[in-house]
Amino acid sequence: GAVVSQHPSWVICKSGTSVKIECRSLDFQATTMFWYRQFPKQSLMLMATSNEGSKATYEQGVEKDKFLINHASLTLSTLTVTSAHPEDSSFYICSARSEGKRLAEAFFGQGTRLTVV
Amino acid sequence: GNSVTQMEGPVTLSEEAFLTINCTYTATGYPSLFWYVQYPGEGLQLLLKATKADDKGSNKGFEATYRKETTSFHLEKGSVQVSDSAVYFCALSRSNDYKLSFGAGTTVTVRA
Repeated sequence: GAVVSQHPSWVICKSGTSVKIECRSLDFQATTMFWYRQFPKQSLMLMATSNEGSKATYEQGVEKDKFLINHASLTLSTLTVTSAHPEDSSFYICSARSEGKRLAEAFFGQGTRLTVV
Repeated sequence: GNSVTQMEGPVTLSEEAFLTINCTYTATGYPSLFWYVQYPGEGLQLLLKATKADDKGSNKGFEATYRKETTSFHLEKGSVQVSDSAVYFCALSRSNDYKLSFGAGTTVTVRA
């Protein structure tokens, strides 16, 4: 299968600072990338969908000014958590897919554990 | 809205035991159904999928059948191995855009 790399795998930051998480498709061009968030012992919740070169589409209840998503190229999407607070501590996972038939499924990164102190 | 409910874990089994993880869903129309697996330290991987009623997805000895009458997609494996220890997620998407709604995940530990 195709490889999606997420960086960093974990990060600790101070309250009020911003944190950027990268999601890269290493061996295919990702026309669409998805960002999910997982709270302990809960489901992965879709936060937003991003298509290369256009603005992200956010799910209901997700603050777009707090979770900035940039899908600047076909291999890179970034999620920036702005002015982070302890309640933003969570596990963030990206997935990527291509419109091409061979890669119709979505491939997931390893996830990023964010802890805000 | 769409939702997925799966059996809570953790589940601990001995090698060669039979594994079942229940999954039921709520959705309008005809969603596609998936099982994803996350091995320790790795990202989620698609294990199997079914896109219409009565379809059976299978992979690596795992099977799941899309049952529309019971809105279920239970995962089964007849004889598990230690290497099957992982977290298993049931998921659905309303269309083929892969915007997924996930269950909470079930942690499975297989002991030798």
